[in-house]
Amino acid sequence: DGGITQSPKYLFRKEGQNVTLSCEQNLNHDAMYWYRQDPGQGLRLIYYSQIVNDFQKGDIAEGYSVSREKKESFPLTVTSAQKNPTAFYLCASSISGTNYEQYFGPGTRLTVT
Amino acid sequence: AQSVTQPDIHITVSEGASLELRCNYSYGATPYLFWYVQSPGQGLQLLLKYFSGDTLVQGIKGFEAEFKRSQSSFNLRKPSVHWSDAAEYFCAVGGDGGSQGNLIFGKGTKLSVKP
Repeated sequence: DGGITQSPKYLFRKEGQNVTLSCEQNLNHDAMYWYRQDPGQGLRLIYYSQIVNDFQKGDIAEGYSVSREKKESFPLTVTSAQKNPTAFYLCASSISGTNYEQYFGPGTRLTVT
Repeated sequence: AQSVTQPDIHITVSEGASLELRCNYSYGATPYLFWYVQSPGQGLQLLLKYFSGDTLVQGIKGFEAEFKRSQSSFNLRKPSVHWSDAAEYFCAVGGDGGSQGNLIFGKGTKLSVKP
């Protein structure tokens, strides 16, 4: 079955540590996205990538970094510079950068203490 | 600026009753409109979408939505709610070309279903 995998489901880190969230898709989609979700805030775009080896900042990129070395993978690193990293993180993909229909992974809940 | 407003934060309906969730958008061009559903701790699932054509669109799980350009609305409806419909619902808009496929999401409406 095609889909988007995010691992792990739950992640715990100490403050000051960088942490990398995994996102893999086997849908052969060109575009991939990272969102942050906080209660009552909806989804906010962190980074997006329309094609391999290229990515752009979204609305809340500060304190985050990404890479897109392979079409199927788009890992997100939450750095120690992110002031409030505890949140639910969602990865999504779409067929292309001009196709707005996005498919979502199951999410990773990150808790930083 | 593009925006999406979901005026109701939380709605409670009785099982078997009808449902309408409101969505209003602010957009300069013809929008692409979406409704997604999210169960607690899960990802988002696409319920339905509007790109063009018939303004009444049918989706999965018995949901439908109507695009009304004059009211800048895209309300989600279901004639008879089931307990399994309890979840959070998100409206999203995209399509100005310049945003490169990005969607703007509303803040969501949480639906509770009474037995």
